[in-house]
Amino acid sequence: QKEVEQDPGPLSVPEGAIVSLNCTYSNSAFQYFMWYRQYSRKGPELLMYTYSSGNKEDGRFTAQVDKSSKYISLFIRDSQPSDSATYLCAMSGRTPLVFGKGTRLSVIA
Amino acid sequence: DAGVTQSPTHLIKTRGQQVTLRCSPKSGHDTVSWYQQALGQGPQFIFQYYEEEERQRGNFPDRFSGHQFPNYSSELNVNALLLGDSALYLCASSLGGGRDQPQHFGDGTRLSIL
Repeated sequence: QKEVEQDPGPLSVPEGAIVSLNCTYSNSAFQYFMWYRQYSRKGPELLMYTYSSGNKEDGRFTAQVDKSSKYISLFIRDSQPSDSATYLCAMSGRTPLVFGKGTRLSVIA
Repeated sequence: DAGVTQSPTHLIKTRGQQVTLRCSPKSGHDTVSWYQQALGQGPQFIFQYYEEEERQRGNFPDRFSGHQFPNYSSELNVNALLLGDSALYLCASSLGGGRDQPQHFGDGTRLSIL
């Protein structure tokens, strides 16, 4: 079993839809959880950074962490074509940063 | 506020050659981590430098080595290149060497091995 599992998609939604992206993990030592957005031919851009369980909101983005289920989510409200990118979950604890494979998202105008 | 900068952006090498990639961290950051990202995969941790020392290392062979300079910039060296080393190499910077600090990435160096 991989440490971090993420459905690679692709995921295609109409403009204005609510997008839900998810990752599961197996290492209970993970404490810090991140979501990165990566456009084609660019490096990952940090979107959300959370510690332990709970919710964090930043504009149209909401990150949720459920440590009891080893499950994290990123919600994007009112999705825009400019949100089309690959979204990577990442987490760390006693280990260095471990990434999921990324989910490719397309928002269609 | 300068972000993480990497050079070169693209590089083509042949098997057996050696390569050096360079990274300048985000202004105010003192810790540099290197990652390898194969096509369609998430980044894989290579190693991290803090206070000019390698502090952590991922599951990469000794052909991969690095250095951090007093100005916090860093180099990644790869010897005896293999076809499988073709990937996007990403540098990330953070503050203080701890795992609790968010990492900020550059746009990477795309390395192709022929």
